[in-house]
Amino acid sequence: EAQVTQNPRYLITVTGKKLTVTCSQNMNHEYMSWYRQDPGLGLRQIYYSMNVEVTDKGDVPEGYKVSRKEKRNFPLILESPSPNQTSLYFCASSSAGGRNEQFFGPGTRLTVL
Amino acid sequence: LAKTTQPISMDSYEGQEVNITCSHNNIATNDYITWYQQFPSQGPRFIIQGYKTKVTNEVASLFIPADRKSSTLSLPRVSLSDTAVYYCLGDSGVEVRTYKYIFGTGTRLKVLA
Repeated sequence: EAQVTQNPRYLITVTGKKLTVTCSQNMNHEYMSWYRQDPGLGLRQIYYSMNVEVTDKGDVPEGYKVSRKEKRNFPLILESPSPNQTSLYFCASSSAGGRNEQFFGPGTRLTVL
Repeated sequence: LAKTTQPISMDSYEGQEVNITCSHNNIATNDYITWYQQFPSQGPRFIIQGYKTKVTNEVASLFIPADRKSSTLSLPRVSLSDTAVYYCLGDSGVEVRTYKYIFGTGTRLKVLA
């Protein structure tokens, strides 16, 4: 089954404790992206990647890092989480050739205390 | 920077046709217009996509005028299960695609019995 998976689905952590949210897709998609969703603000793009070793900032990249060492994986790293990073995070992937249809993962709900 | 604007919310009754319009004044010339549906605590799900004129699939129709400054998602005969948030999505580029996406805050559709 074609899908995007994220882990963990739920995470409660404390300020400053480094964490990684994994994202993996099995559709051989070139394009992958991370979004955060907050009440009243919709979905905002954090980082995206056009292909392996090619990443770029979205609208809200501060406090986040990403890497794209393999085509299928695109982890989101929070080196020093803060309470304002409490949010619902979605990973998405799509083929890069022209169209925008993105396939989204189930989401990771992160709480930073 | 291309920005999308949609009504914040809409109510409808079961069996009615619902039209949701999105304005995207600065859409890139080679960008497609894509609509997504999102249920609470789930990732957005692709509904339909188009470049110009009219596109129809099994769940919706998409109308795009010649100037491409807006698009209208049409949901025929809605049911209670169509209650969700609907987003139009465009690339943030004005003349050229950037692959940085803007979702906006979406339209919250509530279908009443």
